[in-house]
Amino acid sequence: NAGVTQTPKFQVLKTGQSMTLQCAQDMNHEYMSWYRQDPGMGLRLIHYSVGAGITDQGEVPNGYNVSRSTTEDFPLRLLSAAPSQTSVYFCASIDEGTGVGNTIYFGEGSWLTVV
Amino acid sequence: KQEVTQIPAALSVPEGENLVLNCSFTDSAIYNLQWFRQDPGKGLTSLLLIQSSQREQTSGRLNASLDKSSGRSTLYIAASQPGDSATYLCAVRPRDSNYQLIWGAGTKLIIKP
Repeated sequence: NAGVTQTPKFQVLKTGQSMTLQCAQDMNHEYMSWYRQDPGMGLRLIHYSVGAGITDQGEVPNGYNVSRSTTEDFPLRLLSAAPSQTSVYFCASIDEGTGVGNTIYFGEGSWLTVV
Repeated sequence: KQEVTQIPAALSVPEGENLVLNCSFTDSAIYNLQWFRQDPGKGLTSLLLIQSSQREQTSGRLNASLDKSSGRSTLYIAASQPGDSATYLCAVRPRDSNYQLIWGAGTKLIIKP
């Protein structure tokens, strides 16, 4: 059971470039989300999905795009990278089943630097 | 708008001490509150989850309490060890959210051998 897998772990982009952060989970969770973590701040929600074909915006969605074609995968696309998007990105999924209190599982993070 | 605050931002204590980490939130209309641990270069691991109807949860040397009326939660770590060194974050799930969590910025804990 691999849990939540994110790739790449590290990436350097030039301003204006686009890229996709990949996220996959093998726990059959319906709910998945993307957060960014900046120094001195709590995690902020970028986008989330409550199931295949359904996505919605979080707190800081501008400059990012998502899709959910399968239950397992939830990629995050940076459309035109900006230095303000330098951050650590975390993908997460939530176990909505009974008895586990909505436990949230995180990937190990993707460190993105935009120069 | 729900806000979550963790004070202090950093804490350094000698090994063996019992310690308390604090988390406060501005809106008592929450579904649950969770405490997480984050190690450098790693993702976050859920430590304890307290439902809004509960007062506390325990796991090993960890005990988390919740006082919704005052908007406060504490994470008590007994007999601290160097392996407890990490950043501890709390997050609340507002009652009107769709599994969304509102996060504190975390407390960086260093346990000195």
